[in-house]
Amino acid sequence: QSVLTQPPSLSAAPGQKVTISCSGTGSNIANNYVSWYQQLPGTAPKLLINDNNKRPSGIPDRFSGSKSGASATLVITGLQTGDEADYYCGTWDSSLSVVLFGGGTKLTVL
Amino acid sequence: QVQLVESGGGLVKPGGSLRLSCSASGFTFSDYYMTWVRQAPGKGLDWVSYLSTSGSTIYYAESVKGRFTISRDNAKNSLYLQMDSLRADDTAVYYCARGNNWPTFDYWGQGTLVTVSS
Repeated sequence: QSVLTQPPSLSAAPGQKVTISCSGTGSNIANNYVSWYQQLPGTAPKLLINDNNKRPSGIPDRFSGSKSGASATLVITGLQTGDEADYYCGTWDSSLSVVLFGGGTKLTVL
Repeated sequence: QVQLVESGGGLVKPGGSLRLSCSASGFTFSDYYMTWVRQAPGKGLDWVSYLSTSGSTIYYAESVKGRFTISRDNAKNSLYLQMDSLRADDTAVYYCARGNNWPTFDYWGQGTLVTVSS
């Protein structure tokens, strides 16, 4: 069981918006930057969002991140079939001195 | 362009050892902290270890502490993971990743599969 809690699965139709949550505690999300990663089937993870809400070069603005307190959120708008993937949040835990990943959210675009 | 290529995975018996390597290119390796992340079959991401640019700061996940050793050779642009006393639950694809703006991992290798089985 992951310390960072994500919904195991979500589904939405093409063109719709989906919100993926990541819930943590004061020793991790609340006091450290959060990153989001996309893992397409059979491939390595890819950085989507860093520093809570920054998009690396080449990431479409359909992807956005935010953080409030001990929770972080990834929002994907204008869903495309190519967005079907597993999404992971990640951060540092200052008390445990470890990197934490959420359990992952499998997104299905119907 | 940034490239990370892992090697050294394979089949090993419980209690055995394996050394993974990650060869980096396309960037100044010594300027970046590095990390290992693993993923068991059908499971999520599981962080393993972190190593600072100079190698002076190291962190390990509790599950591998005392059994795994991370190291780097900046002259060879390479990251290593020495894995000893391997257990069945160490079976996973092992990814090396480049760290940027802690705790972000901006580039990942393609992974190398480690299978621990008798």
